[in-house]
Amino acid sequence: GENVEQHPSTLSVQEGDSAVIKCTYSDSASNYFPWYKQELGKGPQLIIDIRSNVGEKKDQRIAVTLNKTAKHFSLHITETQPEDSAVYFCAASIEGGADGLTFGKGTHLIIQP
Amino acid sequence: EAQVTQNPRYLITVTGKKLTVTCSQNMNHEYMSWYRQDPGLGLRQIYYSMNVEVTDKGDVPEGYKVSRKEKRNFPLILESPSPNQTSLYFCASRRGREGEQYFGPGTRLTVT
Repeated sequence: GENVEQHPSTLSVQEGDSAVIKCTYSDSASNYFPWYKQELGKGPQLIIDIRSNVGEKKDQRIAVTLNKTAKHFSLHITETQPEDSAVYFCAASIEGGADGLTFGKGTHLIIQP
Repeated sequence: EAQVTQNPRYLITVTGKKLTVTCSQNMNHEYMSWYRQDPGLGLRQIYYSMNVEVTDKGDVPEGYKVSRKEKRNFPLILESPSPNQTSLYFCASRRGREGEQYFGPGTRLTVT
């Protein structure tokens, strides 16, 4: 089955700086890569996703890049703000398949004022 | 408002006492699933359902049961809970086989 590795487990950045979280996946058939943000006491919420026919996708301050050859994808957050502090999860799946998402272990992002 | 609801949000129980965690979605989604979240392990899928009366095992199904008698509801059943099932549980739903998965607010279960 799919295996997703996520790094780092904790990331502390100064407010206003950029943050990058990286994930690798094992199953070359995976074609859907969402990123979820989990705030304290809440369920994960989708913030951005990318499909394997696209190399990069941006939505305001967040962007995701995908390298299918190397089987890795990354989340980039620019101009970080205090409300970006949360746990972020990457995931991978075969869209259209019966299985659900396989998640990475999560990154605790801390924005230092 | 489109949402996934879970009840209860918090539960403390004792080993062996059967319990059910309910999950309901109001988006008419076909696909529903249960995950557990443990420190350092991320989210792991327990069971999923592609539609009414269609369920299948995820990565960590041992000790759990599910049923899908109605499209909107997908309860998680622990017939004989054990302390290693102490965890944070999330229900999720998705329309069909593609697209965004919506998560409920979570149920924190403690088994003593």
